[in-house]
Amino acid sequence: DQQVKQNSPSLSVQEGRISILNCDYTNSMFDYFLWYKKYPAEGPTFLISISSIKDKNEDGRFTVFLNKSAKHLSLHIVPSQPGDSAVYFCVSASAGGTSYGKLTFGQGTILTVHP
Amino acid sequence: NAGVTQTPKFRVLKTGQSMTLLCAQDMNHEYMYWYRQDPGMGLRLIHYSVGEGTTAKGEVPDGYNVSRLKKQNFLLGLESAAPSQTSVYFCASSYFRDTGELFFGEGSRLTVL
Repeated sequence: DQQVKQNSPSLSVQEGRISILNCDYTNSMFDYFLWYKKYPAEGPTFLISISSIKDKNEDGRFTVFLNKSAKHLSLHIVPSQPGDSAVYFCVSASAGGTSYGKLTFGQGTILTVHP
Repeated sequence: NAGVTQTPKFRVLKTGQSMTLLCAQDMNHEYMYWYRQDPGMGLRLIHYSVGEGTTAKGEVPDGYNVSRLKKQNFLLGLESAAPSQTSVYFCASSYFRDTGELFFGEGSRLTVL
């Protein structure tokens, strides 16, 4: 039972354009969402997060949007750069869960940004 | 500042053999975790620890044991390895009352033949 789904295994974007990575979740108890980025042969690194009381959070080129009614999350990267090429994981957690790292990971989306 | 360090990085085992993966963090974090990553499944929590001397089961704990004798170290053991335990293992740590921001090691690739 995949509670966090990233339906696009891969995404290819031209440098300078917008990258949009999507994520759907099924558990309405999730109240905190994060995106992690992973380069080959490295561990995932935290990118950006959003609480369920918000619908948008922005950090530089990265913006996360949350649509609770649709149980949908998206990450926008503008402008995309070749260094953004990595695997992006959509991650969710429920109250108390974040305190124990009980995070639920999506399958990941491989983003490739072409020069 | 090393962050989270995992050893070994690679290991090949035969079915039935045992081994221990070591995770060390130098950030004085209270919480530590072991995850496994399999193709098409994201990361899944195996075991975690909320402090020295404590451990708890995660989502996929069967076939693994852990110990946290020192705050900075978290060990993951396989007593009798099975091919289904072929995976990439990630250790992570975080502050008490974290915000979901975990600090991960580089991973350990384990193959069980």
